[in-house]
Amino acid sequence: GAGVSQSPRYKVTKRGQDVALRCDPISGHVSLYWYRQALGQGPEFLTYFNYEAQQDKSGLPNDRFSAERPEGSISTLTIQRTEQRDSAMYRCASSLVPSGSQETQYFGPGTRLLVL
Amino acid sequence: AQSVTQLGSHVSVSEGALVLLRCNYSSSVPPYLFWYVQYPNQGLQLLLKYTSAATLVKGINGFEAEFKKSETSFHLTKPSAHMSDAAEYFCAVSGREYGNKLVFGAGTILRVKS
Repeated sequence: GAGVSQSPRYKVTKRGQDVALRCDPISGHVSLYWYRQALGQGPEFLTYFNYEAQQDKSGLPNDRFSAERPEGSISTLTIQRTEQRDSAMYRCASSLVPSGSQETQYFGPGTRLLVL
Repeated sequence: AQSVTQLGSHVSVSEGALVLLRCNYSSSVPPYLFWYVQYPNQGLQLLLKYTSAATLVKGINGFEAEFKKSETSFHLTKPSAHMSDAAEYFCAVSGREYGNKLVFGAGTILRVKS
């Protein structure tokens, strides 16, 4: 079956531009997570949704970052006025049931963002 | 303080040798613990997880990990390394203390020598 997909896989943009990263979770999965992974580090939590409701956005670094999941399926992470420090791998994950701590999160391949 | 510490950013073993990747966590209550593997250009794949049932957890590809509360550890082992095990491995913790999100260690790159 189809796993979590993300697009684009690679994105190069110039500083100051806005970017939108898309995540398509496994069909039927209720919870959707966004993580950011800098080179040489583990993924760091950004935000997550149950259905269309954003439950926790404590990991978003500043107000240039926002996420939505309007119909409870596909999600978009938007970064406005990108800066070079935003360069990283952005990973999406989904889980079947509303975020129980022990639920397995299934990860997509990630979007590599490079801000010049 | 780091929630999850992985000792050794790089580990090198010979094919057929024991694999031991270390993970220690800091938590006031027993958390849920996970090991994920990342192959080049692929997403993170779950190897195994501990959810307060048996302390010895068996995962895919011959890996297993033992939860030791007294040592706050969850080390990953495999008796005999295979070339295909070369990848990056991440330990992660979750639970009420972490707001139900995954908190990852920095990762350990495993190299397998022929």
